[in-house]
Amino acid sequence: KAGVTQTPRYLIKTRGQQVTLSCSPISGHRSVSWYQQTPGQGLQFLFEYFSETQRNKGNFPGRFSGRQFSNSRSEMNVSTLELGDSALYLCASSWGASGSYEQYFGPGTRLTVT
Amino acid sequence: QKEVEQDPGPLSVPEGAIVSLNCTYSNSAFQYFMWYRQYSRKGPELLMYTYSSGNKEDGRFTAQVDKSSKYISLFIRDSQPSDSATYLCAMSARETSGSRLTFGEGTQLTVNP
Repeated sequence: KAGVTQTPRYLIKTRGQQVTLSCSPISGHRSVSWYQQTPGQGLQFLFEYFSETQRNKGNFPGRFSGRQFSNSRSEMNVSTLELGDSALYLCASSWGASGSYEQYFGPGTRLTVT
Repeated sequence: QKEVEQDPGPLSVPEGAIVSLNCTYSNSAFQYFMWYRQYSRKGPELLMYTYSSGNKEDGRFTAQVDKSSKYISLFIRDSQPSDSATYLCAMSARETSGSRLTFGEGTQLTVNP
């Protein structure tokens, strides 16, 4: 069974630009969560989508948004990029939208904002 | 205070040593406990998933949960150089909170040949 895939793997953007990251979950998984990982803050929860609906949201500004499609694939968008948005963005998929289900991570998209 | 506390290390051990990694937490709503391994520039890999207090064993890995003390541990027996990575504990609450995971900051482990 294929794992979680994320594209692109690396991105370099300039301050003020916007970026869209993509995540394809494991086949059959319906929940996709997004996390930001930085050396200073560690792994922080951004949001979770299940059946095309945002179920849960972390403490990030409105510049961070996402969506999920009917095939469970998900995208996240960051508008008006800031230097502090440089991070590894990870998505995780699970079968259901509950803490009782195991979550599997993709390899991440490394975003550098200059 | 962070909801999940984890000693960041770094931890350096000789090959074959028993490694003990620990996390404490303050939120009694956490019900599900995970350990992830993350190699440099890779995504976290799920190692262990536990629900109830007690021990769970998988090969050289043993996960231990003590809900009364709000303390979880991961033991690695016969450690190998390939175990060198950052180990992250993660926790999630009851179903009404969705799949949201709260992570410790990770412990960097080096196993020396």
